[in-house]
Amino acid sequence: AQSVTQLGSHVSVSEGALVLLRCNYSSSVPPYLFWYVQYPNQGLQLLLKYTSAATLVKGINGFEAEFKKSETSFHLTKPSAHMSDAAEYFCAVSYAGTALIFGKGTTLSVSS
Amino acid sequence: DSGVTQTPKHLITATGQRVTLRCSPRSGDLSVYWYQQSLDQGLQFLIQYYNGEERAKGNILERFSAQQFPDLHSELNLSSLELGDSALYFCASSAGTGSLYEQYFGPGTRLTVT
Repeated sequence: AQSVTQLGSHVSVSEGALVLLRCNYSSSVPPYLFWYVQYPNQGLQLLLKYTSAATLVKGINGFEAEFKKSETSFHLTKPSAHMSDAAEYFCAVSYAGTALIFGKGTTLSVSS
Repeated sequence: DSGVTQTPKHLITATGQRVTLRCSPRSGDLSVYWYQQSLDQGLQFLIQYYNGEERAKGNILERFSAQQFPDLHSELNLSSLELGDSALYFCASSAGTGSLYEQYFGPGTRLTVT
C-alpha cells in the first residue's frame, strides 16, 4: 500500500535557522506530492505541490521542496525560519486518483 | 480563508447518537472530500463526491455515510457514535477530480463523543 513517512514528529529550530522537514514516500510509480501546513485551530493550507514538472518546487512563504526519485524523498526546506512558521506540516501523496494520503505530520517549533 | 465552510465548528454528543456535519464548497468547485483527523490515526481520507456522485471511498466506517446535494453542499452523517469517533472532521473541495486539482480545506468540525 502507498504510504508517506515523515521523519521526526517534532522539529525545533531557532529563528533565522534553516528549516528541514523530511518526507519519504513508498511507490513504484511516480506520485504527485504535496506539503500542507496547519496552524492551530485552522484547516490545512497547501504550501506546494510536485506534479512531475520541475523537481525543485517553490511554494508560498519562502518554502521549497525537492523531488528526489532515487531517494523517494520530498523534503521541505526554508532557508531562514520565522516565528510565524511554527505550525504542523503534513506531507501527502496522490497516485493518479484523487485521495490524498497524509503522513503523520511534523510539528515545527521556532524559538527566538 | 479557503472559501470552504463547515458547520458546526464544535459538536459534543453522547455515545450511540447520530450527528450530521455540513460542508459548503468553494464557489464553482464540484468535488467535495471528507477527511478525519485523530491523534491515533492521523489524517485519513473518508470519501469523495463529484457533482453529486460518489467518486472514491477511503477508510469510511459503515456507520458513516455522506451525500452531495444538487447545490453541491455535502453532509457527513455519523451514527451509533463511539468514543473513538471523537476527531476533527475536515471537508475539502476542488474544481475537478484528479491529483492536479488543488484541494482547499475548511476549518473543520471538532466532534467530541462522551
